[in-house]
Amino acid sequence: QQQVKQSPQSLIVQKGGISIINCAYENTAFDYFPWYQQFPGKGPALLIAIRPDVSEKKEGRFTISFNKSAKQFSLHIMDSQPGDSATYFCAATPEGTGGSYIPTFGRGTSLIVHP
Amino acid sequence: DSGVTQTPKHLITATGQRVTLRCSPRSGDLSVYWYQQSLDQGLQFLIHYYNGEERAKGNILERFSAQQFPDLHSELNLSSLELGDSALYFCASSTGGAGGGTQYFGPGTRLTVL
Repeated sequence: QQQVKQSPQSLIVQKGGISIINCAYENTAFDYFPWYQQFPGKGPALLIAIRPDVSEKKEGRFTISFNKSAKQFSLHIMDSQPGDSATYFCAATPEGTGGSYIPTFGRGTSLIVHP
Repeated sequence: DSGVTQTPKHLITATGQRVTLRCSPRSGDLSVYWYQQSLDQGLQFLIHYYNGEERAKGNILERFSAQQFPDLHSELNLSSLELGDSALYFCASSTGGAGGGTQYFGPGTRLTVL
């Protein structure tokens, strides 16, 4: 069964701190790993994504670290801000057939950043 | 704004009823994916359409069906509704093909079954 395990379920950090969310997967056929950010009442929005040929990708305050051998990847939010308070989902997508790329999502992490 | 639109935003109905949720993908996107999000099950993939054809099915109940029309908008039909069908329903679109993997989500439809 394809699974993506995400932890922690909830996270509270102080403004300016580092938020770290971890995900682990089992299926080695996964080859695209996006992170989504979801605010209450909104749909998930793509935040940053990585492919397994690189070990790290950074966009502004957001960094994905990828460990292919361990089948783990993580999201680091540097200098966390109250506006980052949201639910974060990791996902893993296999190369599909016929153009179908069905992601498997983690269960989500509720991040609260205190001012 | 992702460019994906969904209507209605909220829907309240009774058990046993049938509803239709509508999704319009981003301009140029050929793929539409439907998801159900609930507190206990997280984000669950339901079904994928590409350029009018069904491409993949996930955890979609037989009471649920979907289609994608020639103008690429999609509808998700939910029938014989049960209390447990109350959830957020999202559609997402992508270009599909070799550029697949990046999905852009709509704002969702919140379904409440009473």
